Amino acid sequence: GIQVEQSPPDLILQEGANSTLRCNFSDSVNNLQWFHQNPWGQLINLFYIPSGTKQNGRLSATTVATERYSLLYISSSQTTDSGVYFCAATKGGSQGNLIFGKGTKLSVKP
Amino acid sequence: NAGVTQTPKFQVLKTGQSMTLQCAQDMNHEYMSWYRQDPGMGLRLIHYSVGAGITDQGEVPNGYNVSRSTTEDFPLRLLSAAPSQTSVYFCASTPGQGTGVTEAFFGQGTRLTVV
Repeated sequence: GIQVEQSPPDLILQEGANSTLRCNFSDSVNNLQWFHQNPWGQLINLFYIPSGTKQNGRLSATTVATERYSLLYISSSQTTDSGVYFCAATKGGSQGNLIFGKGTKLSVKP
Repeated sequence: NAGVTQTPKFQVLKTGQSMTLQCAQDMNHEYMSWYRQDPGMGLRLIHYSVGAGITDQGEVPNGYNVSRSTTEDFPLRLLSAAPSQTSVYFCASTPGQGTGVTEAFFGQGTRLTVV
C-alpha cells in the first residue's frame, strides 16, 4: 500500500518564525490532506489538496503530485500553532482509506 | 450541520467488558470509517463502509466489529475489551465515489482506557 512519510518529526520555533513541513508519499494519490491535532486531541482539517496550491491566512500548502510530495508552510508562527501536524493520503482509485504519516510535532515558544 | 458526532468522549472499561462507540454524520456521506490513534503515532484504519449494508476491514480490525444499517450511523463494537485497545478512536466520513470528492471529515474522538 501507499506509504506516507513526514519530516521533520519534531520542530521547535520561536514565535514569529516561519516553517516548512514536508510530506512524501510513495504512490499516486487522489486525496492529500493536512490536519492539525491540537493539544486537546482534536483533528482540525487544514487543507484538502491532492494537487496545486492553497492558502488560508498564515498557512499555505502545495502538492506536487507528479513528484509525490506536499509542503505545508506556516508563516509568522504563534503559540496556538503548537501541536502535531499530520499529512494523510488516499491511494489513487481508492475510495477513502486515508494513510497517515507519523506527524510533525511543532512547539512554538513565546 | 453537526458534521460527524462521536459519543462518548471518554470511557473507562474493565478488561472483558463490551461497549459500542457511536458515530453519526448528517452530511449524507456514503463513506464512513473508524481509526485508532496510539501515542506518538498517526491514525490507523480499523474498519470502513462504502455504504449502508457494506463494511470491510482496514489495517487493524482484530477485536472490533462494525455494522452499517443506515447511511447516518456507523457504530464500532468492542466485544471483549483488552488493555491493548486503550487508544483514541476517531470516526470519519467522506462524501462518496460519485461526487468525485475524497476529503475526509473527522469527529472529535473518543478516548478509551481499558484497565
